[in-house]
Amino acid sequence: GAGVSQSPSNKVTEKGKDVELRCDPISGHTALYWYRQSLGQGLEFLIYFQGNSAPDKSGLPSDRFSAERTGGSVSTLTIQRTQQEDSAVYLCASSFDVWGANYEQYFGPGTRLTVT
Amino acid sequence: TQLLEQSPQFLSIQEGENLTVYCNSSSVFSSLQWYRQEPGEGPVLLVTVVTGGEVKKLKRLTFQFGDARKDSSLHITAAQPGDTGLYLCAGAGIYSGGGADGLTFGKGTHLIIQP
Repeated sequence: GAGVSQSPSNKVTEKGKDVELRCDPISGHTALYWYRQSLGQGLEFLIYFQGNSAPDKSGLPSDRFSAERTGGSVSTLTIQRTQQEDSAVYLCASSFDVWGANYEQYFGPGTRLTVT
Repeated sequence: TQLLEQSPQFLSIQEGENLTVYCNSSSVFSSLQWYRQEPGEGPVLLVTVVTGGEVKKLKRLTFQFGDARKDSSLHITAAQPGDTGLYLCAGAGIYSGGGADGLTFGKGTHLIIQP
């Protein structure tokens, strides 16, 4: 079946603009995760959803970041008033569940965000 | 906070050589995953190890989970240029049930295999 897809693949935006990143998880996966990967850095966990619910939003870098998931499927990550330090690759992953061996995560190709 | 340290951070070797990369922590993990990431793509899951002392083989790649479930290693035999990539380990917290809030990623090992 289809893997995790993300759009757009690349986004260049001006400082101060809002951006919306989209993630389509693998069909049937209830859990969805957002990460940020900066050049030379590991994956920084941002937020996860179990169904449509995000139990813990403390990983979001600032209140300019928000995420939602509707219908237990597609998720959007929104960054308001973008700053240059927001430039990174934003990765989405999904897993069948968040518990036990079923949390193995499958990643999308990422959205490369560049803030000029 | 659970931290995973990966070493070396960078490794460049010739085709045909053997190599080992390490993933270490002072914390105990319920399981540990290894991913490989190529430029412009997301990480791809290679293996999950669950039991202390467990060894899993994937063709020329051998993964081992430490007896105390605090560390892991990845050994590649007769490395090929196609093995080039960023290798990431990720541990699931022992008390978290494996949820995302318990999944900790190391910064990765950048591996280059020169032909």
